[in-house]
Amino acid sequence: EAQVTQNPRYLITVTGKKLTVTCSQNMNHEYMSWYRQDPGLGLRQIYYSMNVEVTDKGDVPEGYKVSRKEKRNFPLILESPSPNQTSLYFCASSYKRDAYEQYFGPGTRLTVT
Amino acid sequence: SQQGEEDPQALSIQEGENATMNCSYKTSINNLQWYRQNSGRGLVHLILIRSNEREKHSGRLRVTLDTSKKSSSLLITASRAADTASYFCATDLQGAQKLVFGQGTRLTINP
Repeated sequence: EAQVTQNPRYLITVTGKKLTVTCSQNMNHEYMSWYRQDPGLGLRQIYYSMNVEVTDKGDVPEGYKVSRKEKRNFPLILESPSPNQTSLYFCASSYKRDAYEQYFGPGTRLTVT
Repeated sequence: SQQGEEDPQALSIQEGENATMNCSYKTSINNLQWYRQNSGRGLVHLILIRSNEREKHSGRLRVTLDTSKKSSSLLITASRAADTASYFCATDLQGAQKLVFGQGTRLTINP
């Protein structure tokens, strides 16, 4: 089944404790992206990747890191999480960047206390 | 304000009625996409309409695009309880490397 998976689905952590949210797709997609969704603010792009080893900042990259060492994986790293990073996070992928639908993962609900 | 803005923010109708949601944007686009999100879940792609298209259908969905007015509408006909969800438009901006999502319309279908 074609899908985007994220882990963990739920995470409660404390300020400053490094964490990684994994994202994997099995559709051989070139383009991958991370979003955060907050009430009243909609979806905002954090980072995106056009292909392996090619990543770039989205609209709200501060406090996040990503890597794209393999085509299928695009982990999101929070080196020192803070409470303002409490949010619902989505990974998405598409065949290419232009004019293709994005497939979304199920989301990761992160709470930083 | 954001590139893509949906209107209304919330819509509540009776089952069987039609639901119309609108999206306005500011700059030139390559295409516009509509997505559905059930509560707390990932977004699901509904339909993509390119900038040179004016109307597109998919089952009970009808999307129109008016590039002169920089607006799009999503019509869901003969609504069902299962259509209850949030609906987002996403604009694929010319010269950008991303989709820009609006804040969504929350649709409630009452039985």
